[in-house]
Amino acid sequence: DTGVSQDPRHKITKRGQNVTFRCDPISEHNRLYWYRQTLGQGPEFLTYFQNEAQLEKSRLLSDRFSAERPKGSFSTLEIQRTEQGDSAMYLCASSPTGNNEKLFFGSGTQLSVL
Amino acid sequence: AQSVTQLGSHVSVSEGALVLLRCNYSSSVPPYLFWYVQYPNQGLQLLLKYTSAATLVKGINGFEAEFKKSETSFHLTKPSAHMSDAAEYFCAVSDLGSSNTGKLIFGQGTTLQVKP
Repeated sequence: DTGVSQDPRHKITKRGQNVTFRCDPISEHNRLYWYRQTLGQGPEFLTYFQNEAQLEKSRLLSDRFSAERPKGSFSTLEIQRTEQGDSAMYLCASSPTGNNEKLFFGSGTQLSVL
Repeated sequence: AQSVTQLGSHVSVSEGALVLLRCNYSSSVPPYLFWYVQYPNQGLQLLLKYTSAATLVKGINGFEAEFKKSETSFHLTKPSAHMSDAAEYFCAVSDLGSSNTGKLIFGQGTTLQVKP
């Protein structure tokens, strides 16, 4: 069990640029989640996958955001035409089959949009 | 709609003192409730969870929480604080209650400071 890993740890970009983050869940975890956390706030749910199927997207997720989980393993979260309001910590989590109550979180990707 | 409110964004205690972190919830269905801890530069880690079994839930590192339906509360306690307990703590409720999808609604967090 190597834990949930996220890459990169930090990303600085200019407004209007596209960015992509990667998440590698714990192997054999069939569910994968993306959350966003801003300073002084708790994480907010963005979307989640069961295997390769994206089952739910939050209304927080504008059309500029897209997430994929090809083959049901790693996942990517892409933000197009970034805005300053996108600056946040993006957290990935996974949970094992039959125990969706226990989420294992990665350390996150800190995005700064200048 | 489900929500949680954590009372106090910062709590400071002396080493060896009682830790009490407050959480109140709102839920339209019987809730599943959680406490997560986040140490600096680490991912959130589950401390404990309530899923409609025993109302007093014991977690890792000596923490426990009591579900009180009449007070809609799920406060986190530890009898004796240790320096290593300094971290940020998040209370969360599962969306959709018993039909748990892993979609959690988190409170704003409480930073626990432990003084020597």
